[in-house]
Amino acid sequence: AQSVTQPDIHITVSEGASLELRCNYSYGATPYLFWYVQSPGQGLQLLLKYFSGDTLVQGIKGFEAEFKRSQSSFNLRKPSVHWSDAAEYFCAVGTPGGYNKLIFGAGTRLAVHP
Amino acid sequence: DAGVTQSPTHLIKTRGQQVTLRCSPKSGHDTVSWYQQALGQGPQFIFQYYEEEERQRGNFPDRFSGHQFPNYSSELNVNALLLGDSALYLCASSPGHIKGETQYFGPGTRLLVL
Repeated sequence: AQSVTQPDIHITVSEGASLELRCNYSYGATPYLFWYVQSPGQGLQLLLKYFSGDTLVQGIKGFEAEFKRSQSSFNLRKPSVHWSDAAEYFCAVGTPGGYNKLIFGAGTRLAVHP
Repeated sequence: DAGVTQSPTHLIKTRGQQVTLRCSPKSGHDTVSWYQQALGQGPQFIFQYYEEEERQRGNFPDRFSGHQFPNYSSELNVNALLLGDSALYLCASSPGHIKGETQYFGPGTRLLVL
């Protein structure tokens, strides 16, 4: 069965520091991969997605993610974090054979210190 | 262009009652998926509607049912509410004929069961 693991429940960084959020997936082939962000009391906003091609994907708000097939990973990065980036981040996989059903990880809550 | 909208925003019910949540998809989208997000967890897929039929279903009991109307809007019904049904219910829409297409999420309905 497909699954997504986000090993870090909470991460705290200082404003201006770099950020990397980890995501590992379990799937027999190459899935579709997504990162979503959720601010308190809000729905989910898509940051970026990977379907195929270039393994380094650029997203909104200065985020990027790299797909590594050998490690079954899709880590999210940002070179310099802003206080407004404090939120919960979810990695998700979609199965190419399915109908856009998404399987989410448990999320990583990001806190940003001034 | 309006995004995905959901109503109501908040709802309080008691155990054993029934609830109906509503979703209007993004313009041009004909597929609606519903997710349950319990506190501190990632969203879990409930089911998906396309062409007024349930196309795919997650691991949820029959107490959870849905409907899609000709204008593509959708309802989620939950019968015999349990305390454990308290959660944020998210609706997502996408173009159903394109596999792997991005799902766009609404702000959610927060349900509290007392």
